[in-house]
Amino acid sequence: QSVLTQPPSISAAPGQKVTISCSGSGSNIGKNYVSWYQQVPGTAPKLLIYDNNKRPSGIPDRFSGSKSGTSATLGISGLQTGDEADYYCGTWDSSVSAGVFGGGTKVTVL
Amino acid sequence: EVQLLESGGGLVPPGGSLRLSCAASGFTFTIYGMGWVRQAPGKGLEWVSAISGSGESTYYADSVKARFTISRDNSKNALYLQMNSLGAEDTAVYYCVHYRDGYNFINNWGQGTLVTVSS
Repeated sequence: QSVLTQPPSISAAPGQKVTISCSGSGSNIGKNYVSWYQQVPGTAPKLLIYDNNKRPSGIPDRFSGSKSGTSATLGISGLQTGDEADYYCGTWDSSVSAGVFGGGTKVTVL
Repeated sequence: EVQLLESGGGLVPPGGSLRLSCAASGFTFTIYGMGWVRQAPGKGLEWVSAISGSGESTYYADSVKARFTISRDNSKNALYLQMNSLGAEDTAVYYCVHYRDGYNFINNWGQGTLVTVSS
């Protein structure tokens, strides 16, 4: 059981927007920045969003992040077939001094 | 370009030990925290351990505490994970990771090395 809670899967048609939620607690999301990672099956994860809502160089602005209280959200607009992947949220948990991840959300483009 | 190259994975019997290594390049190694994240077959990401740039501070997941030891050699730009008392639950791909801005986010991931614990 993961410390951060994500929906296991989500699907939508090409061009639509999806949002992935990530729920935590006051000691992790409530106190620290949230990051998001994209993992295409068979490959290593890749940083998608950091510091709640910032995109690394090369990540299109179709990807967005936000945080409110003890929850965070990843948004993917203009969904493309290449966006099919597993998405993970992550942060630091200050109460146990350890990193934590969500269980991952599989995005399927119909 | 940041490169993280893991090595040392393989098949090990239950109760055995293994040492993973990660060769880092493309950034000033001594400045940044490093760590290990693992992924069991068909499962999600699990944070394992992290170490500060100087090596003075180390952090562990409860699931590996007292069995795993993270260390680094800044003269060689190398990160290590000594794993003892291995069990089937430790079977996973182990990723070497590079942190930016403390431990706020993982900026780069290695390609991973597979550890299989089985008799």
